[in-house]
Amino acid sequence: DAKTTQPNSMESNEEEPVHLPCNHSTISGTDYIHWYRQLPSQGPEYVIHGLTSNVNNRMASLAIAEDRKSSTLILHRATLRDAAVYYCIRYRPGSGATNKLIFGTGTLLAVQP
Amino acid sequence: DAGVTQSPTHLIKTRGQHVTLRCSPISGHKSVSWYQQVLGQGPQFIFQYYEKEERGRGNFPDRFSARQFPNYSSELNVNALLLGDSALYLCASSLEWQGFYEQYFGPGTRLTVT
Repeated sequence: DAKTTQPNSMESNEEEPVHLPCNHSTISGTDYIHWYRQLPSQGPEYVIHGLTSNVNNRMASLAIAEDRKSSTLILHRATLRDAAVYYCIRYRPGSGATNKLIFGTGTLLAVQP
Repeated sequence: DAGVTQSPTHLIKTRGQHVTLRCSPISGHKSVSWYQQVLGQGPQFIFQYYEKEERGRGNFPDRFSARQFPNYSSELNVNALLLGDSALYLCASSLEWQGFYEQYFGPGTRLTVT
């Protein structure tokens, strides 16, 4: 079971931080947490991924709870271009030796000017 | 650098026909995966190919097939098209086959079956 749970939608104001939550209560010790986003009329775009420690890159930060049952994607200053569907995905290495990503329905983020 | 490219952009086919979709990965990427995205849902995994061999297959009927060429480009073939095959077909490439490598998606091919 690779299920993650995310809110269907969230709203944010431009230039404010956004915290997108994800619940993965059945995660195992070797599962990675990946975040992808999909802007309108485009393919998904990699955002960030992590295993245990918090991770930062130029796009976002990923905060992983100590028990790893949840995580939060943080956009430090939302822009209109960040309006997209954000997918939180569990990836289990060794599961059939593929890089198959199991997408849910994600969180639709609306950014208000 | 060129990203993942897919062709055609849009396609309209009739029930029962056959379709071939093409994907060129990012230069140096050896893994290509195919996903189907129906309106309002997240992408669903169809195939992964790595070094010309099928690495994984999702829960799709045998009407769906794919292959990868020596230059790592890939084709997705769908036979005997059904109305339910109407979707956005996405191709993703990555450096290696393992899932902790970033996957880069193309813009997709929008297939409409009438």
